[in-house]
Amino acid sequence: QVQLVQSGAEVKKPGASVKVSCKASGYTFTSYGISWVRQAPGQGLEWMGWISAYNGNTNYAQKLQGRVTMTTDTSTSTAYMELRSLRSDDTAVYYCARDPSGYVPKSFDYWGQGTLVTVSS
Amino acid sequence: QSALTQPRSVSGSPGQSVTISCTGTSSDVGGYNYVSWYQQHPGKAPKLMIYDVSKRPSGVPDRFSGSKSGNTASLTISGLQAEDEADYYCCSYAGSYNVVFGGGTKLTVL
Repeated sequence: QVQLVQSGAEVKKPGASVKVSCKASGYTFTSYGISWVRQAPGQGLEWMGWISAYNGNTNYAQKLQGRVTMTTDTSTSTAYMELRSLRSDDTAVYYCARDPSGYVPKSFDYWGQGTLVTVSS
Repeated sequence: QSALTQPRSVSGSPGQSVTISCTGTSSDVGGYNYVSWYQQHPGKAPKLMIYDVSKRPSGVPDRFSGSKSGNTASLTISGLQAEDEADYYCCSYAGSYNVVFGGGTKLTVL
């Protein structure tokens, strides 16, 4: 069965970086895309960006450009999201989600369990 | 990219039908047939309920249906059940590999 298993919770200080992993299993990793979505406490879902596991193409939400990098390791079927220069308003649960089309992020059929990132001094 | 507009809350009694609207622009909802809907229970990851405007993934009850007219998409839940109480989010492809979510709607089953 398809599973996306994310790394554990993180606590970071303002200005630091965080790297969250998302290990996929149960499907051919390179045939799909992965998006990252975050949810601040009590708030809605915010799309952060997308990476094609097929060719590594990426696109990031405009507000995060310059601070976020998404990568994949096809040898381990793992996607990564790194966010730099962390601020308190980056405190959120971060989800990875599979995009079944693989070529454009149009829907998300499987989700990771979420990783809580807390930014606090 | 501005978030899609959803009502903050809707409610209905068991057995009734409710419809949640999702309004965007011609650059997202109106421009592509790539609207999806997600159900999220407290403390859980979102679950895909509808994709490509009106298609249901395997395992999603046919009580859930989606549609679109112009720049507004809608999710209708018929025969409301207690377990349908959750937050619902619409989502649309917005071109150039961008995606936008709605602000979310809290569904209360009375």
